Amino acid sequence: QKEVEQDPGPLSVPEGAIVSLNCTYSNSAFQYFMWYRQYSRKGPELLMYTYSSGNKEDGRFTAQVDKSSKYISLFIRDSQPSDSATYLCAMSVSYAGGTSYGKLTFGQGTILTVHP
Amino acid sequence: DTEVTQTPKHLVMGMTNKKSLKCEQHMGHRAMYWYKQKAKKPPELMFVYSYEKLSINESVPSRFSPECPNSSLLNLHLHALQPEDSALYLCASSQDRDTYSPLHFGNGTRLTVT
Repeated sequence: QKEVEQDPGPLSVPEGAIVSLNCTYSNSAFQYFMWYRQYSRKGPELLMYTYSSGNKEDGRFTAQVDKSSKYISLFIRDSQPSDSATYLCAMSVSYAGGTSYGKLTFGQGTILTVHP
Repeated sequence: DTEVTQTPKHLVMGMTNKKSLKCEQHMGHRAMYWYKQKAKKPPELMFVYSYEKLSINESVPSRFSPECPNSSLLNLHLHALQPEDSALYLCASSQDRDTYSPLHFGNGTRLTVT
């Protein structure tokens, strides 16, 4: 079983839809949670970063973390064709100990297509 | 455009060639990373530099040799690569080792080994 499981998709939605992207994880040592967006032939772009349970909002994006259920989500409101990309969840353990510093464990990615 | 700049964008090399990938950031970050990404897969960590010192090597073959000349620059020297090493090589940086901060990635170098 992978440490991080991401809903594989692909997802295809109409413009204006609400999109929900989800990841579950098994390692309770994960303390930092990120969502990256990756366009074709580009590097991952940081969208959201959080380290506490609950919701964090930034414009049309909301990141949700539930540490008790080991579950994170990214919601995109009013989706646009420009949101079409691969979305990667990523997690990292607490820095304490340092041996895993900088090692992100990624989900496999979800390909999202928003059609006009 | 990202704040982590990688050159070249594309590289084709033979198995006997020696080449280098370069990465530069001017965000004042003190931790820098190399990741490798195969098609339709997530990135995988190769190396971590913290304050210009190598702190993590994820059992990467010696044909990949990292170098951090100063706090803004990171190189990856390549020698005697195999076709299976063809991938997108991503550089990333983060604030420092003392406080967790998320990684910021460059757009990568797309490497093809023939």
